[in-house]
Amino acid sequence: QKEVEQNSGPLSVPEGAIASLNCTYSDRVSQSFFWYRQYSGKSPELIMSIYSNGDKEDGRFTAQLNKASQYVSLLIRDSQPSDSATYLCAVLKGGGTSYGKLTFGQGTILTVHP
Amino acid sequence: ETGVTQTPRHLVMGMTNKKSLKCEQHLGHNAMYWYKQSAKKPLELMFVYNFKEQTENNSVPSRFSPECPNSSHLFLHLHTLQPEDSALYLCASSQNRGTGELFFGEGSRLTVL
Repeated sequence: QKEVEQNSGPLSVPEGAIASLNCTYSDRVSQSFFWYRQYSGKSPELIMSIYSNGDKEDGRFTAQLNKASQYVSLLIRDSQPSDSATYLCAVLKGGGTSYGKLTFGQGTILTVHP
Repeated sequence: ETGVTQTPRHLVMGMTNKKSLKCEQHLGHNAMYWYKQSAKKPLELMFVYNFKEQTENNSVPSRFSPECPNSSHLFLHLHTLQPEDSALYLCASSQNRGTGELFFGEGSRLTVL
């Protein structure tokens, strides 16, 4: 089982729609969760972090965390073509020998078409 | 300059060459990282340095040799690489080790012939 699993996509949504990106993780000691955006040919850029169960909103982005289900998601409202990128889910372990180790998923390719 | 800068941006080397990748961060961070990004694979952590001391070596082959002379600079020395080492090598920094809030450089695209 992969430590951090994402559907690689591609996920295609029309402009103005809600894009929903999902991520599951295997290690229950994971404490912190992050979403990075990577445009083609560019480096990853942190866009959201979430540390406790529930929703966290930042502009058009909402991160959702459910630790019981080991599930984290990213919703993008009013999707724009400029949101087209690969979205990487990352999980930070908080204990044992893996203290502070950030593990990335494979990424989901999102395409927003006009 | 600001952020995290990496040089060179592109590198082509033969299997017997020796080359180095350089990373410099201007953010005042204490931790620096090397990641490898290959097509269709997740980002792979290679090395972590905290206050210029290596805190993690993620079972990386010895043909990759990191060096961190101070908290602002990080090098990756390469020698006798294999074609499968061709990838994008990303440097990142964070305020401290143990945070998931990383700032990445633009990467060095390495091709091994």
